[in-house]
Amino acid sequence: KQEVTQIPAALSVPEGENLVLNCSFTDSAIYNLQWFRQDPGKGLTSLLLIQSSQREQTSGRLNASLDKSSGRSTLYIAASQPGDSATYLCAGWGSGAGSYQLTFGKGTKLSVIP
Amino acid sequence: EPEVTQTPSHQVTQMGQEVILRCVPISNHLYFYWYRQILGQKVEFLVSFYNNEISEKSEIFDDQFSVERPDGSNFTLKIRSTKLEDSAMYFCASTAGGNYGYTFGSGTRLTVV
Repeated sequence: KQEVTQIPAALSVPEGENLVLNCSFTDSAIYNLQWFRQDPGKGLTSLLLIQSSQREQTSGRLNASLDKSSGRSTLYIAASQPGDSATYLCAGWGSGAGSYQLTFGKGTKLSVIP
Repeated sequence: EPEVTQTPSHQVTQMGQEVILRCVPISNHLYFYWYRQILGQKVEFLVSFYNNEISEKSEIFDDQFSVERPDGSNFTLKIRSTKLEDSAMYFCASTAGGNYGYTFGSGTRLTVV
Protein backbone atom coordinates (compact mmCIF):
# COMPACT_ATOMS: atom_id res chain seq x y z
CA LYS A 1 0.00 0.00 0.00
CA GLN A 2 1.32 3.41 -1.00
CA GLU A 3 2.23 5.78 1.84
CA VAL A 4 3.05 9.44 1.24
CA THR A 5 4.89 11.57 3.78
CA GLN A 6 5.49 15.30 3.67
CA ILE A 7 8.17 17.14 5.59
CA PRO A 8 8.05 19.61 7.22
CA ALA A 9 4.47 19.69 8.50
CA ALA A 10 4.68 23.48 8.79
CA LEU A 11 7.07 26.12 7.56
CA SER A 12 7.28 29.85 8.16
CA VAL A 13 9.53 32.01 5.99
CA PRO A 14 10.04 35.73 5.36
CA GLU A 15 8.80 37.11 2.07
CA GLY A 16 11.25 36.78 -0.79
CA GLU A 17 12.89 33.61 0.45
CA ASN A 18 13.29 30.53 -1.73
CA LEU A 19 12.04 27.32 -0.17
CA VAL A 20 11.74 23.58 -0.74
CA LEU A 21 8.92 21.29 0.31
CA ASN A 22 9.59 17.59 0.50
CA CYS A 23 7.46 14.58 -0.32
CA SER A 24 8.40 10.92 -0.03
CA PHE A 25 6.51 7.82 -1.10
CA THR A 26 6.99 4.14 -0.40
CA ASP A 27 6.07 2.53 -3.72
CA SER A 28 8.49 3.48 -6.49
CA ALA A 29 6.09 2.06 -9.08
CA ILE A 30 4.13 5.28 -8.70
CA TYR A 31 2.54 6.36 -11.96
CA ASN A 32 2.41 10.17 -11.77
CA LEU A 33 2.87 12.69 -8.98
CA GLN A 34 0.79 15.81 -8.60
CA TRP A 35 1.22 18.82 -6.32
CA PHE A 36 -1.80 20.72 -5.06
CA ARG A 37 -2.45 23.84 -3.06
CA GLN A 38 -5.25 24.01 -0.48
CA ASP A 39 -6.41 27.23 1.11
CA PRO A 40 -8.26 26.95 4.46
CA GLY A 41 -11.71 25.44 4.03
CA LYS A 42 -11.32 25.33 0.26
CA GLY A 43 -10.80 22.82 -2.50
CA LEU A 44 -7.60 21.56 -4.08
CA THR A 45 -5.92 23.57 -6.78
CA SER A 46 -3.56 21.67 -9.06
CA LEU A 47 -0.10 23.20 -9.28
CA LEU A 48 2.04 20.74 -11.20
CA LEU A 49 1.72 17.25 -12.63
CA ILE A 50 4.87 15.20 -13.15
CA GLN A 51 4.14 12.30 -15.46
CA SER A 52 5.76 8.94 -14.94
CA SER A 53 8.36 9.45 -17.67
CA GLN A 54 9.30 12.96 -16.53
CA ARG A 55 11.73 14.17 -13.88
CA GLU A 56 10.52 17.71 -13.36
CA GLN A 57 7.96 20.33 -14.26
CA THR A 58 8.03 24.10 -14.00
CA SER A 59 5.29 26.68 -13.80
CA GLY A 60 6.24 30.27 -13.06
CA ARG A 61 8.00 30.40 -9.69
CA LEU A 62 7.29 26.73 -9.01
CA ASN A 63 9.47 23.78 -9.91
CA ALA A 64 8.71 20.19 -8.97
CA SER A 65 11.02 17.24 -9.34
CA LEU A 66 10.41 13.52 -9.16
CA ASP A 67 12.95 10.78 -8.39
CA LYS A 68 11.10 7.50 -8.47
CA SER A 69 14.14 5.39 -7.58
CA SER A 70 14.60 7.20 -4.27
CA GLY A 71 10.87 7.69 -3.68
CA ARG A 72 11.09 11.47 -3.45
CA SER A 73 9.59 14.59 -4.92
CA THR A 74 10.35 18.20 -4.10
CA LEU A 75 8.46 21.41 -4.73
CA TYR A 76 10.67 24.47 -5.04
CA ILE A 77 9.08 27.90 -4.63
CA ALA A 78 11.20 30.86 -5.68
CA ALA A 79 10.88 34.35 -4.26
CA SER A 80 8.01 33.49 -1.93
CA GLN A 81 5.12 35.93 -1.49
CA PRO A 82 2.46 36.27 1.23
CA GLY A 83 -0.10 35.01 -1.30
CA ASP A 84 1.77 31.70 -1.36
CA SER A 85 0.59 31.01 2.20
CA ALA A 86 -1.46 27.80 2.05
CA THR A 87 -1.16 24.07 2.61
CA TYR A 88 0.72 22.22 -0.10
CA LEU A 89 -0.20 18.61 -0.77
CA CYS A 90 1.58 16.04 -2.85
CA ALA A 91 -0.28 13.05 -4.19
CA GLY A 92 0.95 9.91 -5.90
CA TRP A 93 -1.09 8.32 -8.62
CA GLY A 94 -1.79 4.60 -8.19
CA SER A 95 0.82 2.12 -9.23
CA GLY A 96 -1.50 -0.62 -10.45
CA ALA A 97 -2.30 -0.96 -14.13
CA GLY A 98 -5.11 1.41 -14.94
CA SER A 99 -5.23 2.68 -11.37
CA TYR A 100 -5.38 6.43 -11.14
CA GLN A 101 -6.23 6.52 -7.45
CA LEU A 102 -4.43 9.30 -5.58
CA THR A 103 -2.66 8.78 -2.27
CA PHE A 104 -2.11 12.06 -0.45
CA GLY A 105 0.38 13.26 2.07
CA LYS A 106 -0.83 15.26 5.03
CA GLY A 107 0.61 18.43 3.59
CA THR A 108 3.01 21.21 4.48
CA LYS A 109 1.41 24.36 5.85
CA LEU A 110 3.36 27.33 4.52
CA SER A 111 3.24 30.80 6.02
CA VAL A 112 5.05 33.59 4.20
CA ILE A 113 5.59 36.57 6.48
CA PRO A 114 5.51 40.05 4.86
CA GLU B 1 -10.69 27.25 -17.55
CA PRO B 2 -13.07 24.27 -17.11
CA GLU B 3 -14.17 23.55 -13.56
CA VAL B 4 -15.60 20.71 -11.54
CA THR B 5 -18.74 22.02 -9.85
CA GLN B 6 -20.06 20.67 -6.55
CA THR B 7 -23.34 21.37 -4.81
CA PRO B 8 -24.22 22.14 -2.13
CA SER B 9 -21.15 23.80 -0.63
CA HIS B 10 -22.33 22.97 2.87
CA GLN B 11 -24.93 20.48 4.11
CA VAL B 12 -26.08 19.77 7.64
CA THR B 13 -28.01 16.56 8.21
CA GLN B 14 -29.27 14.53 11.12
CA MET B 15 -27.72 11.20 11.92
CA GLY B 16 -29.48 8.39 10.07
CA GLN B 17 -30.67 10.59 7.22
CA GLU B 18 -29.78 10.05 3.58
CA VAL B 19 -27.75 12.68 1.75
CA ILE B 20 -26.88 13.10 -1.90
CA LEU B 21 -23.84 15.12 -2.88
CA ARG B 22 -23.77 16.37 -6.43
CA CYS B 23 -20.98 17.04 -8.88
CA VAL B 24 -20.67 18.11 -12.48
CA PRO B 25 -17.28 16.92 -13.77
CA ILE B 26 -15.48 18.49 -16.70
CA SER B 27 -17.36 17.50 -19.82
CA ASN B 28 -14.64 15.68 -21.78
CA HIS B 29 -13.20 13.84 -18.78
CA LEU B 30 -13.57 10.08 -18.56
CA TYR B 31 -12.65 9.22 -14.98
CA PHE B 32 -14.61 10.46 -11.98
CA TYR B 33 -13.80 10.28 -8.29
CA TRP B 34 -14.95 11.01 -4.79
CA TYR B 35 -12.47 11.80 -2.02
CA ARG B 36 -13.05 12.98 1.50
CA GLN B 37 -11.08 14.92 4.09
CA ILE B 38 -11.94 14.69 7.74
CA LEU B 39 -10.92 17.88 9.55
CA GLY B 40 -7.18 17.89 10.20
CA GLN B 41 -6.57 14.63 8.36
CA LYS B 42 -5.35 13.50 4.96
CA VAL B 43 -7.45 13.54 1.83
CA GLU B 44 -8.67 9.95 1.38
CA PHE B 45 -9.81 8.10 -1.72
CA LEU B 46 -13.37 6.77 -1.69
CA VAL B 47 -14.27 5.57 -5.17
CA SER B 48 -13.44 5.86 -8.85
CA PHE B 49 -15.92 5.57 -11.71
CA TYR B 50 -15.13 4.85 -15.33
CA ASN B 51 -17.26 3.71 -18.27
CA ASN B 52 -20.41 3.85 -16.15
CA GLU B 53 -19.20 1.58 -13.41
CA ILE B 54 -17.09 1.60 -10.26
CA SER B 55 -13.48 0.80 -11.14
CA GLU B 56 -11.97 1.01 -7.64
CA LYS B 57 -13.21 1.62 -4.14
CA SER B 58 -11.59 1.93 -0.77
CA GLU B 59 -12.42 0.20 2.50
CA ILE B 60 -14.26 3.36 3.54
CA PHE B 61 -16.73 2.94 0.67
CA ASP B 62 -18.99 0.38 2.29
CA ASP B 63 -22.61 -0.54 1.59
CA GLN B 64 -23.95 2.76 2.89
CA PHE B 65 -22.24 4.59 0.02
CA SER B 66 -23.23 4.54 -3.64
CA VAL B 67 -22.39 6.54 -6.74
CA GLU B 68 -24.34 7.23 -9.86
CA ARG B 69 -23.99 9.04 -13.13
CA PRO B 70 -27.67 9.48 -13.94
CA ASP B 71 -27.13 11.47 -17.12
CA GLY B 72 -24.27 12.75 -19.24
CA SER B 73 -23.23 15.47 -16.87
CA ASN B 74 -23.97 14.75 -13.20
CA PHE B 75 -22.08 12.46 -10.84
CA THR B 76 -23.55 11.84 -7.40
CA LEU B 77 -22.47 10.33 -4.11
CA LYS B 78 -25.23 9.00 -1.87
CA ILE B 79 -24.80 8.18 1.80
CA ARG B 80 -27.82 6.13 2.88
CA SER B 81 -27.78 6.45 6.64
CA THR B 82 -25.34 9.07 7.82
CA LYS B 83 -23.22 8.67 10.92
CA LEU B 84 -21.43 11.28 12.99
CA GLU B 85 -18.10 10.04 11.60
CA ASP B 86 -19.22 10.83 8.05
CA SER B 87 -18.75 14.51 8.84
CA ALA B 88 -16.05 15.65 6.44
CA MET B 89 -15.31 17.67 3.33
CA TYR B 90 -16.21 15.60 0.28
CA PHE B 91 -14.38 16.36 -2.95
CA CYS B 92 -15.39 15.35 -6.43
CA ALA B 93 -12.65 15.12 -9.06
CA SER B 94 -12.22 14.16 -12.67
CA THR B 95 -9.45 13.54 -15.15
CA ALA B 96 -9.14 12.87 -18.86
CA GLY B 97 -6.46 10.28 -18.14
CA GLY B 98 -2.93 9.77 -16.91
CA ASN B 99 -1.37 12.53 -18.99
CA TYR B 100 -3.72 15.27 -17.90
CA GLY B 101 -3.86 15.59 -14.14
CA TYR B 102 -6.74 15.69 -11.74
CA THR B 103 -9.16 18.60 -11.40
CA PHE B 104 -10.94 18.86 -8.06
CA GLY B 105 -14.14 20.62 -7.16
CA SER B 106 -14.35 23.07 -4.27
CA GLY B 107 -15.96 20.48 -2.02
CA THR B 108 -19.11 19.89 0.01
CA ARG B 109 -18.74 20.25 3.75
CA LEU B 110 -21.03 17.63 5.31
CA THR B 111 -21.90 18.02 8.95
CA VAL B 112 -23.82 15.19 10.62
CA VAL B 113 -25.49 16.15 13.90
